[in-house]
Amino acid sequence: AQRVTQPEKLLSVFKGAPVELKCNYSYSGSPELFWYVQYSRQRLQLLLRHISRESIKGFTADLNKGETSFHLKKPFAQEEDSAMYYCALYAGGTSYGKLTFGQGTILTVHP
Amino acid sequence: NAGVTQTPKFRILKIGQSMTLQCTQDMNHNYMYWYRQDPGMGLKLIYYSVGAGITDKGEVPNGYNVSRSTTEDFPLRLELAAPSQTSVYFCASSYSRATIHEQYFGPGTRLTVT
Repeated sequence: AQRVTQPEKLLSVFKGAPVELKCNYSYSGSPELFWYVQYSRQRLQLLLRHISRESIKGFTADLNKGETSFHLKKPFAQEEDSAMYYCALYAGGTSYGKLTFGQGTILTVHP
Repeated sequence: NAGVTQTPKFRILKIGQSMTLQCTQDMNHNYMYWYRQDPGMGLKLIYYSVGAGITDKGEVPNGYNVSRSTTEDFPLRLELAAPSQTSVYFCASSYSRATIHEQYFGPGTRLTVT
């Protein structure tokens, strides 16, 4: 079975500092990976998907199949980046669209 | 499009009471999901549905029931509420034929059982 691990429950940085939220996965096949963000008391919304290879709000994430990682990075954190971040994996096949989520990382960006 | 909507936003239940959390989507998605979100535990899948009339258990189904009579609606029923069911509940939907398997989430229902 697939698994997603986000090793940091809490991450604090200062405004303007680089930030990296870690995500590791275990899955024998070829996964589809996502980052979701949840701002305070709001719904989860998609931030990034690895297939699109995009940069959203200055965030990027690269799938490293050798290290089975999909870390989220931003070179200069902003206070409005403070939120809960979830890494998620879609395993394909008969998953019926189900995503496996990590435990989440709460990012706090201090002024 | 309103996307995925959930009612109520907040609810306080007494132990042993029952209630139904409503979820509706207007995107014609055939897949729908219910999650609970507990601090430090991430999102846990309760039940999911692949279409009207078809539902299946997720990771944490005990104490819950679902039904799917239409494509749009996927209510979650709590019978005999317990304090362990205090959580934030999210409904989500996705499209089975999408090339990118993104899920769309509702705003959540914050439930307290006392």
